[in-house]
Amino acid sequence: AQTVTQSQPEMSVQEAETVTLSCTYDTSESDYYLFWYKQPPSRQMILVIRQEAYKQQNATENRFSVNFQKAAKSFSLKISDSQLGDAAMYFCAYRSSISGGGADGLTFGKGTHLIIQP
Amino acid sequence: DTGVSQNPRHKITKRGQNVTFRCDPISEHNRLYWYRQTLGQGPEFLTYFQNEAQLEKSRLLSDRFSAERPKGSFSTLEIQRTEQGDSAMYLCASSFRLSFRGTGELFFGEGSRLTVL
Repeated sequence: AQTVTQSQPEMSVQEAETVTLSCTYDTSESDYYLFWYKQPPSRQMILVIRQEAYKQQNATENRFSVNFQKAAKSFSLKISDSQLGDAAMYFCAYRSSISGGGADGLTFGKGTHLIIQP
Repeated sequence: DTGVSQNPRHKITKRGQNVTFRCDPISEHNRLYWYRQTLGQGPEFLTYFQNEAQLEKSRLLSDRFSAERPKGSFSTLEIQRTEQGDSAMYLCASSFRLSFRGTGELFFGEGSRLTVL
């Protein structure tokens, strides 16, 4: 079974600065998807960024980028120019590319609480 | 609104009572998932459907839990004889079947929060 580990329960950053959230995962598969989801307080979970394991190029979405190290099974999220609206729980998640069976859903880490200091 | 809709958003019940949650997924999606999230934890997979077929159930889903998706559209999650340990946020998500289309992304509803007294 796959596991996802987020070793930082909480991170704090000054507004406009850069912060990196860590995520490692364990899998025996070679093809899979990785995601960062954001969950603001009392709000629904929304996708921040995704990475397909077969792609070597790191994904980027505006101020959000990832550092995907497949051999190390590491998938960190960098948030540049942090804004107050970035404050939320951030979850790293893994999804197998194999359709069907117990491999279909997302496996989440425990999350990192990101605080933005004004 | 074409997002995932869940109701009720909040439910407070007494131990031993039955509760039912409903999820309306994005209409184009054929896969529907239920997750449970407790305070300070990431969501944990409970079960999922492809169309009306329930394809997988987690060990977390005890016999008191049952989920249905009768016509392949909305789904219900029923918890019978609730216990205090059932208190959690119940999240629904939907997606395309991976091999058919899509990027593997799940779209989540806002959740149904259950408090068992």
